[in-house]
Amino acid sequence: ILNVEQSPQSLHVQEGDSTNFTCSFPSSNFYALHWYRWETAKSPEALFVMTLNGDEKKKGRISATLNTKEGYSYLYIKGSQPEDSATYLCASGNTGKLIFGQGTTLQVKP
Amino acid sequence: DAGVTQSPTHLIKTRGQQVTLRCSPKSGHDTVSWYQQALGQGPQFIFQYYEEEERQRGNFPDRFSGHQFPNYSSELNVNALWLGDSALYLCASSLFSGTEETQYFGPGTRLLVL
Repeated sequence: ILNVEQSPQSLHVQEGDSTNFTCSFPSSNFYALHWYRWETAKSPEALFVMTLNGDEKKKGRISATLNTKEGYSYLYIKGSQPEDSATYLCASGNTGKLIFGQGTTLQVKP
Repeated sequence: DAGVTQSPTHLIKTRGQQVTLRCSPKSGHDTVSWYQQALGQGPQFIFQYYEEEERQRGNFPDRFSGHQFPNYSSELNVNALWLGDSALYLCASSLFSGTEETQYFGPGTRLLVL
């Protein structure tokens, strides 16, 4: 993998469903992995910065895991709510230079 | 505590013109990075400023230049605008620490080149 890739590109779920997205990144020369949530007409909001293989981070109903050896991270949302509707971006970071994926757009229907 | 602010919010220019975008970092932050987000893509790194100098640069032509002021605010200048420069320009700030820092983003400036 040469670039940061995210899947799926978009996702539609019902309120209460749990969901997860994937971020794939180059495992060689890994330094850090960032997750952002970006709601329409707002600034991207930082969710997590992860650096260690096996790292797991949690913020409310959102959690993320990191596998630096195989080059992937998962973002989980438990019990999705309409306010979780946003684009979720991951980025491979190295001393401030972020290489972003194209994002996963989540739509949660009430 | 004001977050990252950017001005203007929207801008329309014609091909060949020059544009200046402005960014004020989050209070206490000393590093500013600029990103370009074209439609349907993730943000792309343009460059980063620290201590008033360009610290890192992405794959953008010399038409893209910047500046950081003593108060840590920053400007992005684009000369000889192309239609392809139409995009959302995001500014992000952080506090330099020698380890991976969280970057805080502004709302962006949407540039349309006609």
